[in-house]
Amino acid sequence: QEQLVESGGGVVQPGRSLRLSCAASGFTFSRYGMHWVRQAPGKGLEWVAVTSVDGSDKFYGDSVKGRFTISRDNSRNTLSLQMNSLRADDTATYYCAKELSFNRFDLWGQGTLVTVSP
Amino acid sequence: QSALTQPASVSGSPGQSITVSCTGTSSDVGGYNYVSWYQHHPGKVPKLMIYDVSSRPSGVSNRFSGSKSGNTASLTISGLQAEDEADYYCSSFTSGSSRYVFGTGTKVTVL
Repeated sequence: QEQLVESGGGVVQPGRSLRLSCAASGFTFSRYGMHWVRQAPGKGLEWVAVTSVDGSDKFYGDSVKGRFTISRDNSRNTLSLQMNSLRADDTATYYCAKELSFNRFDLWGQGTLVTVSP
Repeated sequence: QSALTQPASVSGSPGQSITVSCTGTSSDVGGYNYVSWYQHHPGKVPKLMIYDVSSRPSGVSNRFSGSKSGNTASLTISGLQAEDEADYYCSSFTSGSSRYVFGTGTKVTVL
């Protein structure tokens, strides 16, 4: 069955970097746009970034633009999020999600928790 | 890009119908028929309930329906059940530089 599994979360100090990964299985990864969405503790969902099917187009939320980089490796069915210059307000559970069609996120991973703390 | 505006909470009794609104602008909700709704139980994974304003994925109860008028989209839950108690988020494609935006979220409570 279709599945997304995130990894790479943990505790990191402000200003440091962290790289998240999302392993896809059960579907043709290279056919779909892929997203990262996050949820800070007690807050709502926040869209973070998207990459097109071949990685040529990437867009970011205003709060992470210039600090985060989304990428994908279609040969390994893997989505990544490189997070630099982390801040306390980046503390959140990060989900990867598959976009079946425009703004239709039909498959989500279980999430990985990132905590930015001194 | 500002989050779409949703009421913080909506409640209803079992069997009743409730409506959750999602207000944006002509650059997002009003400009595209790419509005989706997600149900999120705490500690679980968000679940797609409605896409393209009013389409329902297979497996989602027909008690859930979506609509849009101008810059406001709506999710209606009819025949409210205890299992419907969750957080609900709208989402829209946007012409802004960020391309996608979520709503502020609505906690639905079944009384």
